[in-house]
Amino acid sequence: EAQVTQNPRYLITVTGKKLTVTCSQNMNHEYMSWYRQDPGLGLRQIYYSMNVEVTDKGDVPEGYKVSRKEKRNFPLILESPSPNQTSLYFCASRKPGQGGNEQFFGPGTRLTVL
Amino acid sequence: GDSVTQMEGPVTLSEEAFLTINCTYTATGYPSLFWYVQYPGEGLQLLLKATKADDKGSNKGFEATYRKETTSFHLEKGSVQVSDSAVYFCAPGPGAGSYQLTFGKGTKLSVIP
Repeated sequence: EAQVTQNPRYLITVTGKKLTVTCSQNMNHEYMSWYRQDPGLGLRQIYYSMNVEVTDKGDVPEGYKVSRKEKRNFPLILESPSPNQTSLYFCASRKPGQGGNEQFFGPGTRLTVL
Repeated sequence: GDSVTQMEGPVTLSEEAFLTINCTYTATGYPSLFWYVQYPGEGLQLLLKATKADDKGSNKGFEATYRKETTSFHLEKGSVQVSDSAVYFCAPGPGAGSYQLTFGKGTKLSVIP
């Protein structure tokens, strides 16, 4: 089954404690992205990756890091989480293509930073 | 940069009512256009898409037409059901020469029996 998986699904942590949210896709997609979803603000792109070792900042990259060492994985790293990073996070992947292709989303990770 | 203006919600409708959710966008070039749906507790999934001007995307009774002249992609359904209760997002594909994607803020639809 074609899918994007994220782990963990739920996480409660404390300010300053480094954490990683994993993302993996089994569709051999070149493009992967991380988004955060907040009430009233919709979905905002944090980082994206066009292929292995190629990443770039989205609209709200501050406080986050990513890496793309393998095509299937795209972890999101919070080196020193703060309460304003409490949010619902989604990973997504898609194929490249003129005008854009459908994105496939993971189920989401609900993060609470105390 | 690219932007999306989507009708704000929440929208509450009775079952079998007509639904319209407006979406207009700015983008470089003529990207594909998408509507995604997010059911409670789930991730987003593609509802429908259109790849060029005057194309009509359709799925599950929902329709949207790519209007290049008005840069719009309004979502419609003739008769909503309780199971359509969800958040709907309008999203153009990346503009020419860009990899970034922009989503509308989402419209929450609640359908009551």
